[in-house]
Order: sequence, then structure tokens, then C-alpha cells
Amino acid sequence: DADVTQTPRNRITKTGKRIMLECSQTKGHDRMYWYRQDPGLGLRLIYYSFDVKDINKGEISDGYSVSRQAQAKFSLSLESAIPNQTALYFCATSDHGTSGDGYTFGSGTRLTVV
Amino acid sequence: AQKITQTQPGMFVQEKEAVTLDCTYDTSDQSYGLFWYKQPSSGEMIFLIYQGSYDEQNATEGRYSLNFQKARKSANLVISASQLGDSAMYFCAMSMNTGFQKLVFGTGTRLLVSP
Repeated sequence: DADVTQTPRNRITKTGKRIMLECSQTKGHDRMYWYRQDPGLGLRLIYYSFDVKDINKGEISDGYSVSRQAQAKFSLSLESAIPNQTALYFCATSDHGTSGDGYTFGSGTRLTVV
Repeated sequence: AQKITQTQPGMFVQEKEAVTLDCTYDTSDQSYGLFWYKQPSSGEMIFLIYQGSYDEQNATEGRYSLNFQKARKSANLVISASQLGDSAMYFCAMSMNTGFQKLVFGTGTRLLVSP
């Protein structure tokens, strides 16, 4: 099983619908992140959480909300999806260490809003 | 604010040759980390190499090395002996300190390795 699991892997939804992307991890990391990737723009941070009671907005949080249900689970919601939220979404976790592979990414969720 | 700049949208290299992917960064922090990730067409993010701002030696991981020039604020990725499987998108990223926090990414460089 993957260390960081994102569900669903692919999703097509209609404009105006509420949708939730889920992320669960078995790394035991405290820190979890949601990024969005658009062509030509790299990955941009939506929200991050350093522990269950700590939620922070990232660079592009408008139109999104998150929930940290447990140390291992971090969900991203689009309250009312719009077409320009069509993107590849990544969940990631990190530890406090200094080894370069301390960051772990999920496989991504490809979301299409029509 | 931190910023990563990758000025090469695309690069071409022949198999078995070396290639350098450029990355410059901007930060006022003294403590930071620099990462390179590979993204193949399947979409996953694959960690390649990491350099901490206090590391005096350039990082190396197999065929990958990071040419860290702190005064010039550059962290170029060098891939030696390119392979066809190296064709992918490559992202440079920075963390705010060496203890791992949120990452700031560049826009990426698409590398194509030809036979």
C-alpha cells in the first residue's frame, strides 16, 4: 500500500457541485499539505496543517476548505466547483527531519470541472 | 517571499550525454532546503535530490548531482549519462527551512531524451 493515498484518482464533476478529495497517510507524519498543479505553473500550495488542531491557508486557498480529521487524514473540499479549478491535486506529508526524502507525495487526483 | 525560477521550459539531450537543468532561487532566509523532483507522464512526484543551505558539499544521488552555488542563489540539477527513462518534467522546489515546511515550486523544465 502507498504511504500517502489519495482518493479518488480521477473525478469529473459539474460546475456548482461540492466535491471532497481525500488523503490518508501511514507515514506517521504530523504535517500535511494540499497542492494544486496547473500546466505551466508548477505546484501551488492550497492549505497546510502541522497537526490536527492547526490549519493554515496557502497561496491559493480561495474556493477551497480543508478538514484534518485525524493525524493521518486531511481532506480538501471544493464548496462549489468551477471550471478553473480543473487541475491535478496533490496531497503531501512531511516530517521534521533533514533527510531529503522527508517529503512524501500522493499519486495525485485529476479533477475536471465541466 | 521565497521564489524559484526555472528559465528553461524545455530541454533536449541525447542518450548517454549529461544535461544541466537550471534553477535559481530567491530568499532572505539563512536556513532553507532545495529539492528536485521528477514528474513522468504518469503524474506522480518522484524525489530526486536535496540540498540544505548549510551543506557545504554538493549533494549527489547516483546519476543526479545538485550544483549548489549559494552566492549566486542557484541550485542546478545535473543528470549524467541520460537515459530514455529520464524524459519527464523536472521541478525545483524550496522549503523555508531545512526542517521541512511548505514547499515553493518552480514552473518546471520538460526534458526529452532522444536515442
